[in-house]
Amino acid sequence: LAKTTQPISMDSYEGQEVNITCSHNNIATNDYITWYQQFPSQGPRFIIQGYKTKVTNEVASLFIPADRKSSTLSLPRVSLSDTAVYYCLVGRPGNTDKLIFGTGTRLQVFP
Amino acid sequence: EAQVTQNPRYLITVTGKKLTVTCSQNMNHEYMSWYRQDPGLGLRQIYYSMNVEVTDKGDVPEGYKVSRKEKRNFPLILESPSPNQTSLYFCASSLYVGAPRRPRDTEAFFGQGTRLTVV
Repeated sequence: LAKTTQPISMDSYEGQEVNITCSHNNIATNDYITWYQQFPSQGPRFIIQGYKTKVTNEVASLFIPADRKSSTLSLPRVSLSDTAVYYCLVGRPGNTDKLIFGTGTRLQVFP
Repeated sequence: EAQVTQNPRYLITVTGKKLTVTCSQNMNHEYMSWYRQDPGLGLRQIYYSMNVEVTDKGDVPEGYKVSRKEKRNFPLILESPSPNQTSLYFCASSLYVGAPRRPRDTEAFFGQGTRLTVV
């Protein structure tokens, strides 16, 4: 399983765009990149998943460069309710894989 | 409503008293797993199950047991709890862990969490 590295914490203000980058230098050909969001005392919640280039949904965008050694989760115009921990996961499809969460990035949004 | 249900939400117990935390999902998911979350350590996987009667150890399995007799249930058993098992526990399920045919096929759904204190 590819190891991921992401910042421990980030601060932002309401209305700003936040970009959280995750490094995964050892990503394998069949690995997908998935991001989860976790609020205090709640279970993580799926945000977005991608394989290459750009993926966008109603919550966020995920940018993956051609070499796929990193990815960036982009949250447009954050609000106080986006304060949470964000986890980057990289996994190779297959029945023996496990979901491995690291320590994530703690995003604090200020008014 | 599609969901993963854990019980109990909160539990205080004494060292050595066997306990079971239940987990049930109503989405016919193949994959289920248990995590514990401790300050500064993030989420660590305890056990996982790819399907009925198939379970395997995660990163921190010591002191825990699981079973998967039915697809929907995946209980976590602490035969002899100790204070170092005081933690926040999450159960999760996903359709399967494999090449996603659709964007969210491998999305994991988490329960509400069980806060366990062992004194």
